[in-house]
Amino acid sequence: IAGITQAPTSQILAAGRRMTLRCTQDMRHNAMYWYRQDLGLGLRLIHYSNTAGTTGKGEVPDGYSVSRANTDDFPLTLASAVPSQTSVYFCASSDEGGSNEQFFGPGTRLTVL
Amino acid sequence: GQNIDQPTEMTATEGAIVQINCTYQTSGFNGLFWYQQHAGEAPTFLSYNVLDGLEEKGRFSSFLSRSKGYSYLLLKELQMKDSASYLCAVVDSNYQLIWGAGTKLIIKP
Repeated sequence: IAGITQAPTSQILAAGRRMTLRCTQDMRHNAMYWYRQDLGLGLRLIHYSNTAGTTGKGEVPDGYSVSRANTDDFPLTLASAVPSQTSVYFCASSDEGGSNEQFFGPGTRLTVL
Repeated sequence: GQNIDQPTEMTATEGAIVQINCTYQTSGFNGLFWYQQHAGEAPTFLSYNVLDGLEEKGRFSSFLSRSKGYSYLLLKELQMKDSASYLCAVVDSNYQLIWGAGTKLIIKP
């Protein structure tokens, strides 16, 4: 692995189903982030983690949960998907939080019907 | 509230120069990023400004005026591959990134 990977690449999901988006980085970055990107809107932060074992809420956390059991992995879970969660989801990481360059994964395109 | 404003779309000609503006109103300021995002791809880092002035990096330059809440990205000698969206993002007082909606740049031959 080189950099940051996400899985799946795309997914169509029925409303009410549970879904976990996976994110793994091999850069030993402390900070990781989940964003959603919708047409006409900027990237919006869902959840973040400044270091393994800690997580925090971003701008739009409702309906999503995260965990950070180790440095490399930062999964995002939709407990019960709704159509408004249709979006492109990007995972990112940075050496530390704040004013450090963020490196982005390739994204997951999620459609909730 | 926090706000980042960028033009939605701009068109320029191959070989020319284009300036993409970004104005911001945020709770605190700890730096400003520019990212490039090609259609269907992830954003990639272009520049970071924390002090006033111009930072030059090859064909791309970024300018910041903290007193005016203003930045611009200058692209010179435009190439077709520069067709992309350009995202402005400000680091606020909580060290979170606040993102603009992006400027879609269309390059014509």
